[in-house]
Amino acid sequence: QKEVEQNSGPLSVPEGAIASLNCTYSDRGSQSFFWYRQYSGKSPELIMSIYSNGDKEDGRFTAQLNKASQYVSLLIRDSQPSDSATYLCAVNAGRRALTFGSGTRLQVQP
Amino acid sequence: SAVISQKPSRDICQRGTSLTIQCQVDSQVTMMFWYRQQPGQSLTLIATANQGSEATYESGFVIDKFPISRPNLTFSTLTVSNMSPEDSSIYLCSVEDLMNEQFFGPGTRLTVL
Repeated sequence: QKEVEQNSGPLSVPEGAIASLNCTYSDRGSQSFFWYRQYSGKSPELIMSIYSNGDKEDGRFTAQLNKASQYVSLLIRDSQPSDSATYLCAVNAGRRALTFGSGTRLQVQP
Repeated sequence: SAVISQKPSRDICQRGTSLTIQCQVDSQVTMMFWYRQQPGQSLTLIATANQGSEATYESGFVIDKFPISRPNLTFSTLTVSNMSPEDSSIYLCSVEDLMNEQFFGPGTRLTVL
């Protein structure tokens, strides 16, 4: 079983819709959770971090964490073509370095 | 967040040679890491670069193949030694801030012929 699992996609949504990206993790001791966006040919860019159960909102982005279900998600409201990228879920299990999922490719159709 | 630069940004190397990648941060940071991203794949941690002591390597990565230096709190190097085509990847350094968030440098795209 992979430590951090994501659906590889592509996830295709129309412009203006809500994109929902999901991630599950195996280590119950995980403490910190991150979402990175990676455009083709570029390095990952941190867009959200979440540390406690519930929702965290930042602009059009909402991260959701459920530690009991070992599940973290990212919602993107009013999706724009510029949101088309690969979204990487990363988990910190207390050892400082991050474990990454394989990423979900998001395509926002104009 | 800290400004991170890497040199070179890309290189094409011959099999059997070595390449040293530099990572420079514009402020002092405690934690620096080196990751590899192979074509079409996600990021894999190579090692944690420790200032003043030997790097901590992940399973599958060894010091002889990927020697790392960390002479101070703003700089680190990763050397890819005795390269083979399987080493063709993007190599990324990252730093951790006081909020335990990690930020990545622009990466070094390595092609080994």
